[in-house]
Amino acid sequence: EAGVVQSPRYKIIEKKQPVAFWCNPISGHNTLYWYLQNLGQGPELLIRYENEEAVDDSQLPKDRFSAERLKGVDSTLKIQPAELGDSAVYLCASSLVGVRGAPSEQFFGPGTRLTVL
Amino acid sequence: AQSVTQLGSHVSVSEGALVLLRCNYSSSVPPYLFWYVQYPNQGLQLLLKYTSAATLVKGINGFEAEFKKSETSFHLTKPSAHMSDAAEYFCAVSDTYGGSQGNLIFGKGTKLSVKP
Repeated sequence: EAGVVQSPRYKIIEKKQPVAFWCNPISGHNTLYWYLQNLGQGPELLIRYENEEAVDDSQLPKDRFSAERLKGVDSTLKIQPAELGDSAVYLCASSLVGVRGAPSEQFFGPGTRLTVL
Repeated sequence: AQSVTQLGSHVSVSEGALVLLRCNYSSSVPPYLFWYVQYPNQGLQLLLKYTSAATLVKGINGFEAEFKKSETSFHLTKPSAHMSDAAEYFCAVSDTYGGSQGNLIFGKGTKLSVKP
């Protein structure tokens, strides 16, 4: 079974430029997450999708960040314009949320390491 | 609000020695707790999770963790460290109890080094 796929793996851009990250979740997973991981820190949730709906985007800086999940499968996270402080690793995860109860396991992709110069 | 605190950003052990990585949680409801491992340039992988079934949870690669409500702790242990265990370990708590899928709140991580 293929895991969560992310591209690109690395991206270097100059500040004020736009950048986009792509995520393909595990087939059949209805929930998709984007996380931000700063150096030496744990991941922090940016946005969570259940199918096509963004059910939690409270931590997404909406002035420069946007995300979409068309048809409830692949997702794209965009930053425009990028700032120096956006340099970090952007992780995508997916899970299959079914019956009520304990949280389902989240499967993580390898991440995109962004460097803003 | 839920949170986790990992004591020690860096732990170093000798190969064959006991591994102990500490995690304390704060939660207003019975928590769901997780340990994830991250190898360099890779995503996070679930080691084990506590979902109130048993207080001693066994995970992959010989790791286990014990939920202690009185101490609000969920420490990760392995009896004998292997070189391949060198990685970063994250403790996490789910921010909801039962019902709908919650979000994971991660600690800052503990980097484990294993000396030959």
